Amino acid sequence: GAGVSQTPSNKVTEKGKYVELRCDPISGHTALYWYRQSLGQGPEFLIYFQGTGAADDSGLPNDRFFAVRPEGSVSTLKIQRTERGDSAVYLCASSILGGNGELFFGEGSRLTVL
Amino acid sequence: AQSVTQLDSQVPVFEEAPVELRCNYSSSVSVYLFWYVQYPNQGLQLLLKYLSGSTLVESINGFEAEFNKSQTSFHLRKPSVHISDTAEYFCAVRLQTGANNLFFGTGTRLTVIP
Repeated sequence: GAGVSQTPSNKVTEKGKYVELRCDPISGHTALYWYRQSLGQGPEFLIYFQGTGAADDSGLPNDRFFAVRPEGSVSTLKIQRTERGDSAVYLCASSILGGNGELFFGEGSRLTVL
Repeated sequence: AQSVTQLDSQVPVFEEAPVELRCNYSSSVSVYLFWYVQYPNQGLQLLLKYLSGSTLVESINGFEAEFNKSQTSFHLRKPSVHISDTAEYFCAVRLQTGANNLFFGTGTRLTVIP
């Protein structure tokens, strides 16, 4: 497809487990962003990639969260030792570097930690 | 630091009535302004943006927003709403320098009543 693709769309896991969420950005978009959206809140910035490197990871809440983008395209958000408070919709967005600022969002991955 | 305030979490309005969704921002540096819309079961989509030039910007589906620097506002308006406008609306800002990262408000749920 032409849009940002995120998998899985839904993930239910147990407290303490490890999860991976995948984002496939729009082809040619060099910038990739991860956001987290909790119930009743707006999207909260987690991390921003420019190419393969994390240009800004100041939004990651703690060291249980990690993200990679090894080839400058697909990105994986990894959460270790999940906690119930990690339950949220995780959004991925991509954009053209140096563009007009428009971010294109995927439909998100809903994570539920029991 | 920058922040975005959307005071109205829910706005019910009758079909064909006018609507205004309020957005105020705070930033120590110049910003660009955006409205994103999230229809049920869909990802965030850009509705309109202010980058420079005319302070009044319009979308293709009849929404408009006006950048007011003195009041640090970017309210969204539509003179006559349609059922299909029912959605969650998010106001967002981005710094004019640096990364394309967006900072979002908490959102306003617009419900159009037949």
